[in-house]
This record gives sequence, C-alpha cells and structure tokens, in this order.
Amino acid sequence: SQQGEEDPQALSIQEGENATMNCSYKTSINNLQWYRQNSGRGLVHLILIRSNEREKHSGRLRVTLDTSKKSSSLLITASRAADTASYFCATDLNSKLTFGKGITLSVRP
Amino acid sequence: DADVTQTPRNRITKTGKRIMLECSQTKGHDRMYWYRQDPGLGLRLIYYSFDVKDINKGEISDGYSVSRQAQAKFSLSLESAIPNQTALYFCATSDPGTAYQETQYFGPGTRLLVL
Repeated sequence: SQQGEEDPQALSIQEGENATMNCSYKTSINNLQWYRQNSGRGLVHLILIRSNEREKHSGRLRVTLDTSKKSSSLLITASRAADTASYFCATDLNSKLTFGKGITLSVRP
Repeated sequence: DADVTQTPRNRITKTGKRIMLECSQTKGHDRMYWYRQDPGLGLRLIYYSFDVKDINKGEISDGYSVSRQAQAKFSLSLESAIPNQTALYFCATSDPGTAYQETQYFGPGTRLLVL
C-alpha cells in the first residue's frame, strides 16, 4: 500500500503561475523526496528534505516538511510549459522508498 | 538516465511464458531496485538488493524472481507471466553516501504486455 498520498491528483495552471502540490504520509521517515516523470519515462529526482529539516530550496523548487502533521508540499514557482509532467512524493525509511500515486501537472502556454 | 539501462524497452508475451527483464548500470552503485508502475497506482517495489549477495522482497514480490549477477546487473524474471503483470517496469540504483540523503536513479523503463 502507498505511504505517500499526493493532493491534488491533477493540476492545470497557466505558464508563469506557481504550482503547489501536497503529500501526506503515515509512518516515520528518514527523508521525503520528490520525483518527476515525463510521460512514460523514468523518474528523475528533484529534491530531498530530511526529517529534521523544515524547508529546502533548489532553483524554482521549494519543499516544506511538517513531521508533526506528516505532510510535505512542493512549490514550483514561475511554471513553464516544460514543467508539464507527473510528480511523485516518496518517503524513505531504511533506504526503501515508498511512492505516492502521483500528481499530473499540466502547464498551459 | 543513460547510466541505468533496461532491456528490452518493450515486450509483448503470452500468458504462461517465462520472461526476463534486464537492468545494467554504470554508476558503480551497490544498491539496485525493481519497481512496477500501474496507471493510478504509482510505483510499487518488487525486489531490492543492497549488494551482490543481498536480495530482499519488496511489497509485491509474488510471481517474480530476481538475480543479481554482478554489482552492475540486476535481472527480473516472470516465471509464468499472467495478464495482470502487464505494467511499466523500472529499475533503479542508489548509493548510501551521506546518511539519510540517499536518492535513486531510474532507468527508462520496460513496457510489458502480457496477452
């Protein structure tokens, strides 16, 4: 069964807008990671946040983690059409990742 | 990621056939994983291996077996394929590196159709 549950399942925005995606999980974690998948291709790691961190930035990405609520959010600022993809959160416990079902992001030009 | 390759990329087989999916990596990582992806279900872990002598079952190992032939090679077999094994299969690798900051590198996937 999935550990992470993303919300919303699908998101459609205009280019230039910000995209916010949420993830909730159920058990203890070492870290939480976000991955991106372009249609039918392999996943690519985007950003990792450790359980003792609250916020992290990487380029246009900002991830937050609230371990008391067992939730995380991924913010993509100034979105581009090329950001259109599926995004997955994954929780790491003892070097095993458990993935959520994913969020489909569509960025309209 | 060209550092992790999977063969074949697409495969059509019939119920009851034995098939093998292969994964090779040039990243020098000890840890390798097999996942399957079904529409709407995300990725689920089938088997994983932390080194050549280590094999572990994942969440959905029934109907599958694996072989870790070398550090760089990890194969997934379906002994007797059935239609509900139709899915997209991914191999991934990782390196423990810094504590609690391990990320995975994925191959391009193998699309399997069992008729």
